[in-house]
Amino acid sequence: QKEVEQNSGPLSVPEGAIASLNCTYSDRVSQSFFWYRQYSGKSPELIMSIYSNGDKEDGRFTAQLNKASQYVSLLIRDSQPSDSATYLCAVPHTGGFKTIFGAGTRLFVKA
Amino acid sequence: KAGVTQTPRYLIKTRGQQVTLSCSPISGHRSVSWYQQTPGQGLQFLFEYFSETQRNKGNFPGRFSGRQFSNSRSEMNVSTLELGDSALYLCASSFGDESYGYTFGSGTRLTVV
Repeated sequence: QKEVEQNSGPLSVPEGAIASLNCTYSDRVSQSFFWYRQYSGKSPELIMSIYSNGDKEDGRFTAQLNKASQYVSLLIRDSQPSDSATYLCAVPHTGGFKTIFGAGTRLFVKA
Repeated sequence: KAGVTQTPRYLIKTRGQQVTLSCSPISGHRSVSWYQQTPGQGLQFLFEYFSETQRNKGNFPGRFSGRQFSNSRSEMNVSTLELGDSALYLCASSFGDESYGYTFGSGTRLTVV
């Protein structure tokens, strides 16, 4: 089992729809969780962090965390073509001074 | 506020050669991590440095090495290059450790021919 798993996609949604990206992790004691966005040919960019169970909203983005189920998700409301990118789920390795990245989910938003 | 600076942006090397990549983190950030990104393997952790000390190393052969200087700038070196080393090498800067999240540099695209 991979430490951080994501559906590779591609996930295709129409403009204005909600895009839902999912991630599961194996380390039960993980405390912090991140979502990065990577445009083609660019480096990853941190867009969301979440540390507590529940929802965290930032503009059109909502991160959801369920530690009991070892599940974290990212919702993008009112999806725009500019949201088309690869979204990487990242979980710091507890006490390990490193972060494990999922393989990423490619999102396409159709105009 | 300057971002994370990686040099060079692109490199083409021949098998058997060695290469040195450089990373200057955000001012005030003392943690520098290096990752290798390939289409097949995604982002793979290479190593992490904090205050000139390597705190963790990924599962890469000894040909991959790094160091950090007193000004937090970091270098990574790959010796005896192999075709499979062709990848995007990303430097990630963090204030303290990975719990703060990373700011990535633009990366160095290494092609080994």
